[in-house]
Amino acid sequence: GDSVTQMEGPVTLSEEAFLTINCTYTATGYPSLFWYVQYPGEGLQLLLKATKADDKGSNKGFEATYRKETTSFHLEKGSVQVSDSAVYFCALSDNNQFYFGTGTSLTVIP
Amino acid sequence: EPEVTQTPSHQVTQMGQEVILRCVPISNHLYFYWYRQILGQKVEFLVSFYNNEISEKSEIFDDQFSVERPDGSNFTLKIRSTKLEDSAMYFCASRGTSGRINEQFFGPGTRLTVL
Repeated sequence: GDSVTQMEGPVTLSEEAFLTINCTYTATGYPSLFWYVQYPGEGLQLLLKATKADDKGSNKGFEATYRKETTSFHLEKGSVQVSDSAVYFCALSDNNQFYFGTGTSLTVIP
Repeated sequence: EPEVTQTPSHQVTQMGQEVILRCVPISNHLYFYWYRQILGQKVEFLVSFYNNEISEKSEIFDDQFSVERPDGSNFTLKIRSTKLEDSAMYFCASRGTSGRINEQFFGPGTRLTVL
């Protein structure tokens, strides 16, 4: 079945450091891929998405490219801020269901 | 921008009691979902709903759970007799039928605490 494997955390970075959170997926069809962010005490917010191979999703300085050949959708940001501290979830959708990764907790220290 | 809303934001209940979690999906959406997230764990699919019936459900969604669309706007999740292990964050989601059809829009969640 479809699944998402996400880099385990927690991740702690200094402000302005480069961020990569790895995500790989298994799917039988042609899913859409997503990154969601969950700030402390809040719900899930869509961060970015890509609906087909080679698409790049981007938002708030974060980027991820849909790589069909490596079945990956790694999240990157060139310079993280304290306000980026949150849990990040990689997810795929095959139309009727979302499959989430386990989440990666990011803490950015000043 | 339209959004999914959920009430209450936090529900505390005694074990064995019934709870109803409410969601108002985006108005022109036709597909509805419930997910849950036990503290510190990943988000898990519970059930999907379309055309006034369940279209898919997970193993978690046993006879203690039910969903309903009682009117044109609300989508509810009922837990008939809550257990301690039902304590979790419950997220509602909805999606439309056109455009980027795979995108689901999530509500802010209801935190359920069973004592």
